[in-house]
Amino acid sequence: EAGVAQSPRYKIIEKRQSVAFWCNPISGHATLYWYQQILGQGPKLLIQFQNNGVVDDSQLPKDRFSAERLKGVDSTLKIQPAKLEDSAVYLCASSRQGAGTEAFFGQGTRLTVV
Amino acid sequence: QKEVEQDPGPLSVPEGAIVSLNCTYSNSAFQYFMWYRQYSRKGPELLMYTYSSGNKEDGRFTAQVDKSSKYISLFIRDSQPSDSATYLCAMKSSAGKSTFGDGTTLTVKP
Repeated sequence: EAGVAQSPRYKIIEKRQSVAFWCNPISGHATLYWYQQILGQGPKLLIQFQNNGVVDDSQLPKDRFSAERLKGVDSTLKIQPAKLEDSAVYLCASSRQGAGTEAFFGQGTRLTVV
Repeated sequence: QKEVEQDPGPLSVPEGAIVSLNCTYSNSAFQYFMWYRQYSRKGPELLMYTYSSGNKEDGRFTAQVDKSSKYISLFIRDSQPSDSATYLCAMKSSAGKSTFGDGTTLTVKP
């Protein structure tokens, strides 16, 4: 079974620029998550999709972050404009539908904002 | 106060030692308890997943959950240098949203 795929692996941008990350979840997984992991901290949930609908985006900074999951499969996370404090690893995870299911993570995109 | 508090470490042990990693939580709604291992520059990898209080064993790993004390632990027996990583505890309620601890970095010295 192929894992969660993310791209790019690394990205360096200047502040106020925009950036987009892509995620392809495990086939058949209805739930998709985007997490932000700042160095030395645990992952923090930004947004959770169930198929192509948003379940939880309470911690997503909506003035600059946006995410979509078209057709309930792939997802993109965008930051516009980026700030220095957005430097982090952005992790995508997916799971089967249901609260008791396990989430599988991709390798993440390491973003550096300079 | 954070919902999930994890012993910060770092932790350094000799090869073969028994390792104990711990987390406490404050949200009584948490029903599912997980331990992830994260190697440098990699995504978290699920190690253990438990639902109820008690112990769950998988090879050299044992997960322990005490809901009455809101305390979970991960024990690693016969630790190996390949176990050197950051260990993250995570918990979620029936709503399915996971909350992570900040991780404990473990180094196992040969």
